[in-house]
Amino acid sequence: NAGVMQNPRHLVRRRGQEARLRCSPVKGHSHVYWYRQLPEEGLKFMVYLQKENIIDESGMPKERFSAEFPKEGPSILRIQQVVRGDSAAYFCASSPITVNEQFFGPGTRLTVL
Amino acid sequence: KQEVTQIPAALSVPEGENLVLNCSFTDSAIYNLQWFRQDPGKGLTSLLLIQSSQREQTSGRLNASLDKSSGRSTLYIAASQPGDSATYLCAVSHGSGNTGKLIFGQGTTLQVKP
Repeated sequence: NAGVMQNPRHLVRRRGQEARLRCSPVKGHSHVYWYRQLPEEGLKFMVYLQKENIIDESGMPKERFSAEFPKEGPSILRIQQVVRGDSAAYFCASSPITVNEQFFGPGTRLTVL
Repeated sequence: KQEVTQIPAALSVPEGENLVLNCSFTDSAIYNLQWFRQDPGKGLTSLLLIQSSQREQTSGRLNASLDKSSGRSTLYIAASQPGDSATYLCAVSHGSGNTGKLIFGQGTTLQVKP
């Protein structure tokens, strides 16, 4: 009866490298949300995915960021050519249906050197 | 544009006191409102979910109310304990587009002193 799992929990990258953040939703949940928490700021929505589909990416930066939720396997948030401003905690949440209670993972804390 | 505000930003109370955390939102077209707890450096723990058609929800020492028409919710914590010390976040699932994305307030950081 595992909850939302995210890995890695901590990730350190140098400027210009790629960061890959993984999220495994609660078993049976087909809706995944990604949020970002910048230092000293609140949580901001990034993207909402269902299996194999991006439903709402209105919160995603236009460049360098992408997300996927394949038919098999975890959801991936990918950040290319990271910059120091990408340093933040990235949280994944899942729900069984749209507009329902969301369950959050422990987050991945990304540090860009 | 939906905005969520939480007052106060920080609160310090002695153990045993009852307290109220406030959350307000600018657009009453919401599907639900969720209260979370976040411990330092940790993820979010869901405390209570109130659907837009409901007025309140209770779980143990916690009671959350929702007045959708006035754009307000309160989280009542009875008989506070040091273990309640954390940041409490309010989030609304906005009605526009029906995607379920949550819009968060900045949080209230609570310290309960023994």
